[in-house]
Amino acid sequence: KNEVEQSPQNLTAQEGEFITINCSYSVGISALHWLQQHPGGGIVSLFMLSSGKKKHGRLIATINIQEKHSSLHITASHPRDSAVYICAVYGNNRLAFGKGNQVVVIP
Amino acid sequence: GAVVSQHPSRVICKSGTSVKIECRSLDFQATTMFWYRQFPKKSLMLMATSNEGSKATYEQGVEKDKFLINHASLTLSTLTVTSAHPEDSSFYICSASRANYGYTFGSGTRLTVV
Repeated sequence: KNEVEQSPQNLTAQEGEFITINCSYSVGISALHWLQQHPGGGIVSLFMLSSGKKKHGRLIATINIQEKHSSLHITASHPRDSAVYICAVYGNNRLAFGKGNQVVVIP
Repeated sequence: GAVVSQHPSRVICKSGTSVKIECRSLDFQATTMFWYRQFPKKSLMLMATSNEGSKATYEQGVEKDKFLINHASLTLSTLTVTSAHPEDSSFYICSASRANYGYTFGSGTRLTVV
């Protein structure tokens, strides 16, 4: 079993819809990252979380340390949000990555 | 904010040649940089941890003589793929960590060996 599991693997939404993607992990961590990877490959760090909730624009990230679970929400989704969203957890002095959630937003 | 510049973004090379990929932290000093490899539809895989002024720490299964890492200054780390083969074709990404800021990633390098 992977240390970091993301779901759903693939998600297609209509423009304007509210999107939620999930990340579960099995190890003790000190921080969790949500990353965005566009088709060209470059990775952008969206959030670093150790507790609670963070908001940036239309993106909201939450984490429940007790349940070892994090969610990334996209409000009023737009085609430019189409990307792979990667969850990465930092623990035991290393970063472990999930396989990503492929999100496609259709105009 | 913290920026990590990686280049080239794409490179095509002939089998048997060497390719150097650079990763620079533009507005902060990165004592530690990380090099990752990503296969299609797979997770990022850590290849090595690069420490300024010392030898890199390679993950199990990564050939240190094949993937040479140099971290000569606090703002520059390089990955050289030596004697490249088609199976080395992949997407390579660097990142730097900064206390309280988490990780900043480069834009990646798509290597194609023909």
